[in-house]
Formats: sequence, structure tokens, C-alpha cells
Amino acid sequence: KNEVEQSPQNLTAQEGEFITINCSYSVGISALHWLQQHPGGGIVSLFMLSSGKKKHGRLIATINIQEKHSSLHITASHPRDSAVYICAVKRETSGSRLTFGEGTQLTVNP
Amino acid sequence: NAGVTQTPKFRILKIGQSMTLQCTQDMNHNYMYWYRQDPGMGLKLIYYSVGAGITDKGEVPNGYNVSRSTTEDFPLRLELAAPSQTSVYFCASSYWEGGIYNSPLHFGNGTRLTVT
Repeated sequence: KNEVEQSPQNLTAQEGEFITINCSYSVGISALHWLQQHPGGGIVSLFMLSSGKKKHGRLIATINIQEKHSSLHITASHPRDSAVYICAVKRETSGSRLTFGEGTQLTVNP
Repeated sequence: NAGVTQTPKFRILKIGQSMTLQCTQDMNHNYMYWYRQDPGMGLKLIYYSVGAGITDKGEVPNGYNVSRSTTEDFPLRLELAAPSQTSVYFCASSYWEGGIYNSPLHFGNGTRLTVT
């Protein structure tokens, strides 16, 4: 079993829908990252969080350390949000190294 | 600001050939990483560096070598390329001090390598 599990693996939505992507992990962590990988392959860091909630534009990331779970929400989704969303955790014992989930492929149709 | 620059973007190698993937960053980040991404799999760490002159193995280091002679550059060397090394390679950097990240991770645009 992977230490970082994302769900769903694939998600198709209509423009304007509210989207939630989930990340569960099985190890103690000190930080969690959400990344976005564009269709062209480039990877961009969206959020880095260790507690609570962060918001940037239409994106919201939450984390519950006790439940070992994080969610990424996209409000008023748009076709340009179509990408792979990747969850990665920094384990308490791994220094700066990250363990990555396999990603969630999001497609938003107009 | 260029960020993290990787070259080349694409490369085809024959089995047994060698090559170097170049990575340079202009953000004065102390930490640099090389990852590989195989289809349907999460990113796997090959090697990383915590500063000039210091490198360490990640999860999948076999068949690769790195060096970090300057803060800016972190080349990845493939010796005796094998089909199992067909993948997309990403270089990344971050600034890390006092046990916490002080910057997000910055990724290069990737190198798509095929070994035939």
C-alpha cells in the first residue's frame, strides 16, 4: 500500500462545478504539498501546509493532521483547471524529501 | 527570473550510451532534487543535494550519478543507459533552513528520455 493515496484517480466535471480531490497518508508528516501538473508536463507548487486551511483564488487546501487527510477544493471550475493534481508529504523522519501520490487527473469540460 | 532550467527537453538514447541532464537554478536555493516520473506512477526521488559539494541517494539511484560543484547547477549523469531508464525526469529546488521549507518547490519543465 502506498504511503500517500489520492482519490479519485480520474475526475471529469462540468465547468462551474465544485471539485474536491482527496489525499490520505499513513505516516507522520510535518508538511503536505499540493502540486499541479499541466498537460504540457510542467509542475507548479500550489500549496504547502502543515495545519488548517489555505486559500489562493479559487483553490482551497485543508489538512487534518489527526485524521491524516488533506483535501484540495476548486470552486467554479474552469477548463483551464484541467491538469493532474499531485499530493506529496514530507515525512517527519525524512528531512526535506517528499513522498508523492500518483496524482488525480482532472478534466473540466466546457 | 528563469527559475529552474532543464536541458534537453527530449532525448533518445541507444542502450549503453551515456548522457548528462543539465539543471540550473537562479534562486539561490540550497536544496536541489532529481525525480523521475513513470506513466501512472508518482514521482520518485533519484538523488538530492542539500548544498554545494553534498549529495545523497534517493529512492531509485541505481544507474545514475550526480554532482553539485556550485549552488546553481545539479547535473544528472546516466551511464550505460537501459530501457528501464525511459522516463520523464524533473529537476526541482527549494530553500530549506532551520528544519522548515522557506520556499515552495520549484520544478523544471522536465526531460523526456527514451532508451531503445
